[in-house]
Amino acid sequence: KQEVTQIPAALSVPEGENLVLNCSFTDSAIYNLQWFRQDPGKGLTSLLLIQSSQREQTSGRLNASLDKSSGRSTLYIAASQPGDSATYLCAVQGGSEKLVFGKGMKLTVNP
Amino acid sequence: DTGVSQDPRHKITKRGQNVTFRCDPISEHNRLYWYRQTLGQGPEFLTYFQNEAQLEKSRLLSDRFSAERPKGSFSTLEIQRTEQGDSAMYLCASSPRDRGLNTEAFFGQGTRLTVV
Repeated sequence: KQEVTQIPAALSVPEGENLVLNCSFTDSAIYNLQWFRQDPGKGLTSLLLIQSSQREQTSGRLNASLDKSSGRSTLYIAASQPGDSATYLCAVQGGSEKLVFGKGMKLTVNP
Repeated sequence: DTGVSQDPRHKITKRGQNVTFRCDPISEHNRLYWYRQTLGQGPEFLTYFQNEAQLEKSRLLSDRFSAERPKGSFSTLEIQRTEQGDSAMYLCASSPRDRGLNTEAFFGQGTRLTVV
Protein backbone atom coordinates (compact mmCIF):
# COMPACT_ATOMS: atom_id res chain seq x y z
CA LYS A 1 0.00 0.00 0.00
CA GLN A 2 1.41 3.36 -1.05
CA GLU A 3 2.11 5.80 1.76
CA VAL A 4 3.13 9.43 1.30
CA THR A 5 4.86 11.38 4.04
CA GLN A 6 5.55 15.08 4.34
CA ILE A 7 7.85 16.28 7.08
CA PRO A 8 7.71 18.68 8.83
CA ALA A 9 3.98 19.20 9.24
CA ALA A 10 4.46 22.94 9.59
CA LEU A 11 7.11 25.53 8.85
CA SER A 12 7.33 29.22 9.69
CA VAL A 13 9.96 31.38 7.99
CA PRO A 14 10.71 35.05 7.39
CA GLU A 15 10.00 36.55 4.02
CA GLY A 16 12.72 36.17 1.40
CA GLU A 17 14.02 32.75 2.43
CA ASN A 18 14.52 29.97 -0.09
CA LEU A 19 12.56 26.91 1.01
CA VAL A 20 12.71 23.18 0.44
CA LEU A 21 9.61 21.10 1.08
CA ASN A 22 10.04 17.34 1.27
CA CYS A 23 7.82 14.48 0.19
CA SER A 24 8.59 10.75 0.43
CA PHE A 25 6.65 7.76 -0.83
CA THR A 26 7.02 4.05 -0.10
CA ASP A 27 6.33 2.47 -3.51
CA SER A 28 8.57 3.74 -6.30
CA ALA A 29 6.29 2.31 -9.02
CA ILE A 30 4.52 5.59 -9.78
CA TYR A 31 3.28 7.22 -12.96
CA ASN A 32 3.60 10.77 -11.72
CA LEU A 33 3.84 13.05 -8.72
CA GLN A 34 1.89 16.25 -8.32
CA TRP A 35 2.36 19.17 -5.93
CA PHE A 36 -0.68 21.16 -4.82
CA ARG A 37 -1.35 24.27 -2.81
CA GLN A 38 -4.39 24.58 -0.54
CA ASP A 39 -5.54 27.79 1.10
CA PRO A 40 -7.68 27.53 4.27
CA GLY A 41 -11.17 26.22 3.52
CA LYS A 42 -10.47 26.05 -0.20
CA GLY A 43 -9.86 23.41 -2.83
CA LEU A 44 -6.53 22.34 -4.26
CA THR A 45 -4.55 24.31 -6.82
CA SER A 46 -2.16 22.29 -8.95
CA LEU A 47 1.37 23.68 -8.88
CA LEU A 48 3.54 21.19 -10.71
CA LEU A 49 3.24 17.74 -12.22
CA ILE A 50 6.32 15.53 -12.69
CA GLN A 51 5.90 12.43 -14.79
CA SER A 52 7.85 9.35 -13.77
CA SER A 53 10.32 9.76 -16.66
CA GLN A 54 11.17 13.32 -15.63
CA ARG A 55 13.62 14.52 -13.00
CA GLU A 56 12.29 18.04 -12.44
CA GLN A 57 9.76 20.68 -13.41
CA THR A 58 9.86 24.44 -13.00
CA SER A 59 7.19 27.11 -12.84
CA GLY A 60 8.20 30.62 -11.90
CA ARG A 61 9.72 30.57 -8.41
CA LEU A 62 8.84 26.91 -7.96
CA ASN A 63 11.01 23.95 -8.86
CA ALA A 64 10.08 20.36 -8.13
CA SER A 65 12.43 17.41 -8.40
CA LEU A 66 11.73 13.69 -8.40
CA ASP A 67 14.00 10.82 -7.43
CA LYS A 68 11.78 7.84 -8.08
CA SER A 69 14.27 5.18 -7.05
CA SER A 70 14.69 6.64 -3.58
CA GLY A 71 11.00 7.56 -3.26
CA ARG A 72 11.55 11.28 -2.78
CA SER A 73 10.45 14.60 -4.19
CA THR A 74 11.31 18.13 -3.17
CA LEU A 75 9.53 21.38 -3.90
CA TYR A 76 11.86 24.36 -3.92
CA ILE A 77 10.35 27.81 -3.40
CA ALA A 78 12.67 30.70 -4.16
CA ALA A 79 12.49 34.07 -2.40
CA SER A 80 9.40 33.22 -0.34
CA GLN A 81 6.63 35.80 0.04
CA PRO A 82 3.76 36.16 2.53
CA GLY A 83 1.39 35.20 -0.29
CA ASP A 84 3.06 31.78 -0.39
CA SER A 85 1.53 30.99 3.00
CA ALA A 86 -0.68 27.93 2.52
CA THR A 87 -0.67 24.17 2.96
CA TYR A 88 1.38 22.31 0.38
CA LEU A 89 0.43 18.74 -0.50
CA CYS A 90 2.15 16.18 -2.64
CA ALA A 91 0.36 13.26 -4.25
CA VAL A 92 1.48 10.26 -6.28
CA GLN A 93 -0.37 8.26 -8.87
CA GLY A 94 0.57 4.60 -8.96
CA GLY A 95 -1.05 1.58 -10.55
CA SER A 96 -4.60 2.90 -10.44
CA GLU A 97 -6.26 6.17 -11.29
CA LYS A 98 -6.33 7.46 -7.74
CA LEU A 99 -3.94 9.97 -6.24
CA VAL A 100 -2.45 9.12 -2.84
CA PHE A 101 -1.80 12.25 -0.80
CA GLY A 102 0.45 13.18 2.06
CA LYS A 103 -1.02 15.08 5.00
CA GLY A 104 0.48 18.31 3.79
CA MET A 105 2.88 20.89 5.16
CA LYS A 106 1.51 24.18 6.48
CA LEU A 107 3.80 27.02 5.45
CA THR A 108 3.71 30.46 7.06
CA VAL A 109 5.86 33.21 5.55
CA ASN A 110 6.16 36.16 7.89
CA PRO A 111 6.57 39.71 6.53
CA ASP B 1 -14.66 27.28 -18.89
CA THR B 2 -13.21 28.44 -15.59
CA GLY B 3 -12.45 25.12 -13.97
CA VAL B 4 -14.10 22.43 -11.89
CA SER B 5 -17.26 23.71 -10.25
CA GLN B 6 -18.84 22.27 -7.11
CA ASP B 7 -22.21 23.06 -5.57
CA PRO B 8 -23.04 23.82 -2.82
CA ARG B 9 -19.90 25.23 -1.25
CA HIS B 10 -21.22 24.61 2.25
CA LYS B 11 -23.90 22.30 3.60
CA ILE B 12 -25.10 21.91 7.18
CA THR B 13 -27.45 19.02 7.78
CA LYS B 14 -28.95 17.13 10.67
CA ARG B 15 -27.83 13.60 11.38
CA GLY B 16 -29.94 11.12 9.49
CA GLN B 17 -30.77 13.40 6.58
CA ASN B 18 -29.73 12.76 2.98
CA VAL B 19 -27.50 15.18 1.10
CA THR B 20 -26.46 15.46 -2.54
CA PHE B 21 -23.51 17.31 -3.98
CA ARG B 22 -22.88 18.25 -7.59
CA CYS B 23 -19.66 18.52 -9.56
CA ASP B 24 -19.25 20.00 -13.03
CA PRO B 25 -15.86 19.04 -14.45
CA ILE B 26 -13.82 20.98 -16.97
CA SER B 27 -15.50 20.43 -20.31
CA GLU B 28 -13.82 17.77 -22.48
CA HIS B 29 -12.36 16.08 -19.39
CA ASN B 30 -13.49 12.49 -19.50
CA ARG B 31 -12.21 11.48 -16.07
CA LEU B 32 -13.84 12.61 -12.85
CA TYR B 33 -12.85 11.86 -9.25
CA TRP B 34 -14.32 12.33 -5.80
CA TYR B 35 -12.14 12.71 -2.71
CA ARG B 36 -12.88 13.37 0.96
CA GLN B 37 -10.68 15.47 3.21
CA THR B 38 -10.94 15.76 6.99
CA LEU B 39 -9.21 18.39 9.08
CA GLY B 40 -5.44 18.06 9.12
CA GLN B 41 -5.40 15.20 6.62
CA GLY B 42 -4.72 14.91 2.93
CA PRO B 43 -7.59 14.08 0.58
CA GLU B 44 -8.62 10.41 0.41
CA PHE B 45 -9.88 8.82 -2.79
CA LEU B 46 -13.54 7.84 -2.92
CA THR B 47 -14.42 6.99 -6.51
CA TYR B 48 -13.54 7.55 -10.16
CA PHE B 49 -15.48 7.80 -13.42
CA GLN B 50 -14.32 7.49 -16.97
CA ASN B 51 -17.10 9.10 -18.97
CA GLU B 52 -20.30 7.67 -17.44
CA ALA B 53 -18.70 4.46 -16.14
CA GLN B 54 -17.78 4.22 -12.47
CA LEU B 55 -14.54 2.25 -12.68
CA GLU B 56 -13.12 2.33 -9.17
CA LYS B 57 -14.56 2.70 -5.68
CA SER B 58 -12.73 2.96 -2.39
CA ARG B 59 -13.63 0.87 0.63
CA LEU B 60 -14.30 4.26 2.27
CA LEU B 61 -17.42 4.47 0.12
CA SER B 62 -19.93 2.71 2.34
CA ASP B 63 -23.37 1.60 1.24
CA ARG B 64 -24.72 4.98 2.30
CA PHE B 65 -22.71 6.68 -0.42
CA SER B 66 -23.59 6.65 -4.09
CA ALA B 67 -22.12 8.53 -7.01
CA GLU B 68 -23.38 8.93 -10.54
CA ARG B 69 -22.23 10.58 -13.72
CA PRO B 70 -25.08 10.38 -16.19
CA LYS B 71 -24.12 11.08 -19.80
CA GLY B 72 -20.50 11.49 -18.76
CA SER B 73 -20.83 15.17 -17.88
CA PHE B 74 -21.63 16.40 -14.36
CA SER B 75 -21.51 14.06 -11.37
CA THR B 76 -23.48 13.80 -8.14
CA LEU B 77 -22.43 12.33 -4.82
CA GLU B 78 -25.25 11.39 -2.45
CA ILE B 79 -24.89 10.49 1.19
CA GLN B 80 -27.88 8.82 2.80
CA ARG B 81 -28.62 8.82 6.53
CA THR B 82 -25.73 11.15 7.29
CA GLU B 83 -23.61 10.57 10.38
CA GLN B 84 -21.38 13.00 12.26
CA GLY B 85 -18.37 11.14 10.93
CA ASP B 86 -19.36 12.20 7.41
CA SER B 87 -18.43 15.80 8.25
CA ALA B 88 -15.61 16.65 5.87
CA MET B 89 -14.66 18.55 2.73
CA TYR B 90 -15.76 16.69 -0.39
CA LEU B 91 -13.53 17.46 -3.35
CA CYS B 92 -14.13 16.78 -7.00
CA ALA B 93 -11.39 16.65 -9.62
CA SER B 94 -11.26 16.09 -13.34
CA SER B 95 -8.59 15.12 -15.80
CA PRO B 96 -8.31 14.72 -19.55
CA ARG B 97 -5.82 11.99 -19.00
CA ASP B 98 -4.80 9.05 -20.94
CA ARG B 99 -2.41 6.96 -18.89
CA GLY B 100 1.13 8.22 -19.33
CA LEU B 101 0.17 11.42 -21.11
CA ASN B 102 -1.23 14.68 -19.79
CA THR B 103 -2.14 13.39 -16.37
CA GLU B 104 -2.68 16.55 -14.36
CA ALA B 105 -5.72 16.54 -12.07
CA PHE B 106 -7.65 19.76 -11.52
CA PHE B 107 -9.68 20.20 -8.35
CA GLY B 108 -12.77 22.19 -7.51
CA GLN B 109 -13.25 24.38 -4.45
CA GLY B 110 -14.95 21.58 -2.55
CA THR B 111 -18.18 21.19 -0.61
CA ARG B 112 -17.82 21.53 3.15
CA LEU B 113 -20.32 19.22 4.88
CA THR B 114 -21.16 19.64 8.54
CA VAL B 115 -23.45 17.06 10.15
CA VAL B 116 -24.97 18.25 13.43
